[in-house]
Amino acid sequence: DTGVSQDPRHKITKRGQNVTFRCDPISEHNRLYWYRQTLGQGPEFLTYFQNEAQLEKSRLLSDRFSAERPKGSFSTLEIQRTEQGDSAMYLCASSLALGGRGGGTDTQYFGPGTRLTVL
Amino acid sequence: GQQLNQSPQSMFIQEGEDVSMNCTSSSIFNTWLWYKQDPGEGPVLLIALYKAGELTSNGRLTAQFGITRKDSFLNISASIPSDVGIYFCAGLEYGNKLVFGAGTILRVKS
Repeated sequence: DTGVSQDPRHKITKRGQNVTFRCDPISEHNRLYWYRQTLGQGPEFLTYFQNEAQLEKSRLLSDRFSAERPKGSFSTLEIQRTEQGDSAMYLCASSLALGGRGGGTDTQYFGPGTRLTVL
Repeated sequence: GQQLNQSPQSMFIQEGEDVSMNCTSSSIFNTWLWYKQDPGEGPVLLIALYKAGELTSNGRLTAQFGITRKDSFLNISASIPSDVGIYFCAGLEYGNKLVFGAGTILRVKS
């Protein structure tokens, strides 16, 4: 399977704990995105990378959230001091962009998501 | 910020019926995408539209990119039980982030 993969698929944690999620994009894709989805809503953009550079962060991404893509391949999303409001599905997507920032058609393919439950 | 209005919010289908849903925006997008999401899974890309006025088909699915660039519709012909799920429209903003609608839930009539 050469699609986007995410690990773990489910995570249950206690409030105040730190959690880290991993995303492996489609191998030739240079852009990687993180979205968050709560029940009954569409996904909301959090941040994206072009290769290893983090190019944009949403206001939704508080100081407790950090994302990295150190070698321009897989990415991690860490949430520190989790709160109950962090409970959501965290989705990763990747795309192959041929243009510069803002350029190209940028069709994004999603992974299966990580469902986070904060107790 | 950008908002997409997706309608209907939900609908019931009977096998064999045609289904139509649409998405409108207050702002212009240069790319429209339609995704389907099953419970507990990520969105799966159905159709991508890159040009105003474009009409694209993928099997029983047909989608159009509105000429004003502020709307799009998706049609499903001759629906089957596996069409059940949540359908999302998404517009691509400059800067590459997708803005999603709230989804249309497709259910089967019992």
